[in-house]
Amino acid sequence: GEDVEQSLFLSVREGDSSVINCTYTDSSSTYLYWYKQEPGAGLQLLTYIFSNMDMKQDQRLTVLLNKKDKHLSLRIADTQTGDSAIYFCAETGANNLFFGTGTRLTVIP
Amino acid sequence: ETGVTQSPTHLIKTRGQQVTLRCSSQSGHNTVSWYQQALGQGPQFIFQYYREEENGRGNFPPRFSGLQFPNYSSELNVNALELDDSALYLCASSYQRSDTQYFGPGTRLTVL
Repeated sequence: GEDVEQSLFLSVREGDSSVINCTYTDSSSTYLYWYKQEPGAGLQLLTYIFSNMDMKQDQRLTVLLNKKDKHLSLRIADTQTGDSAIYFCAETGANNLFFGTGTRLTVIP
Repeated sequence: ETGVTQSPTHLIKTRGQQVTLRCSSQSGHNTVSWYQQALGQGPQFIFQYYREEENGRGNFPPRFSGLQFPNYSSELNVNALELDDSALYLCASSYQRSDTQYFGPGTRLTVL
């Protein structure tokens, strides 16, 4: 079955780049997603990448996809305190999303 | 364009009771998916509704049931509540069944 793994915690200093990593198992996933969750809130779609792409850039966000290793990463440039949140990687199933346990990003001023 | 909305925001129930959670999909979306997010975990898929029919279900018992209405809004019903049902319940809507899902703010359910 599908399994998505992420490291639990990441701390960075304000202004540095953050890199959040994710591994997934289902090679047939059409899209791979990154969502952001702030405390007590729902999930905010950040970005996604189609499975036949290697990279996608969207302002401060860069997504890299290594299909051979089933590895996905999200780079946030110039990380700000407002970026502190939990970040979820998700792969697509037949009609649903499979999520990792999330990476808690803490930005140190 | 109105996003996904959910009600209520919070509620507290006791073991054995029944609860109904509500979700209004984003304008133009005909598919609603429900997820359960326990504390410290990622969301787990409960089921999906497409054009008023269930279109896939995760590993949840039959006491979790749902409905979708002609306006594509949806309800999640949970019977015989257990302590482990305490969680954030998230609703997501999408334009079609396999399209990108947009989430609502969630309903925090506490079972005592």
